Amino acid sequence: DIVMTQSPDSLAVSLGERATINCKSSQSVLYTSKNKNYLAWYQQKPGQPPKLLIYWASTRESGVPDRFSGSESGTDFTLTITDLQAEDVAVYFCQQYYSTPWTFGQGTKVEIK
Amino acid sequence: EVQLVESGGGLVQPGRSLRLSCTASGFNFGDYVMSWFRQAPGKGLEWVGFIRSKSYGGTTEYAATVKGRFTVSRDDSKSIAYLQINSLKIEDTAVYYCTRILAVTAKYFDYWGQGTLVTVSS
Repeated sequence: DIVMTQSPDSLAVSLGERATINCKSSQSVLYTSKNKNYLAWYQQKPGQPPKLLIYWASTRESGVPDRFSGSESGTDFTLTITDLQAEDVAVYFCQQYYSTPWTFGQGTKVEIK
Repeated sequence: EVQLVESGGGLVQPGRSLRLSCTASGFNFGDYVMSWFRQAPGKGLEWVGFIRSKSYGGTTEYAATVKGRFTVSRDDSKSIAYLQINSLKIEDTAVYYCTRILAVTAKYFDYWGQGTLVTVSS
């Protein structure tokens, strides 16, 4: 199974500042024929289902504010939230969908400082 | 508007069975792979299983932790995906979510239902 390791477990950021969440996969999730990393980022608020933010590691889902961005370098992935807003308080998960069992990071809780 | 609505959850005794439903609307259900995930209270997300579209054989795959007890099926005429859970265990207590995948575009998990809570307790 591919293990997804997120860091940090939680972080507190001031409104308007930047939040950076890291995710590392235990093996490559690059689908070579498509040259895409099968890595997604989700936002989950209490009592709600996960919301897809980013797919293919860096493609923003339709309707997601452009302050959310994803980047990739080998097996290291980053979700960056610039200009943090109050509504961004949530838990964020990375997920690989390269191979089953599809697996998630443990989650990063983002709070306002 | 795309909608996925799970139902069928509730309080169940250990060892009993339950069938969850995921009713879809707003898209061509038959074209999509349908997948189930779960989330135990206060925990992370866990993939449970999926069923391919008929054009990809309608076959299923499961997580090792549930294989043999969980069965995913689909009724394309009703736009419903099912998750049959047998021999329920305490550790099956979770919110169960369904989501979709469009294989031809490799677009995964863009819509999720609100989930249905399964509580296994005596």
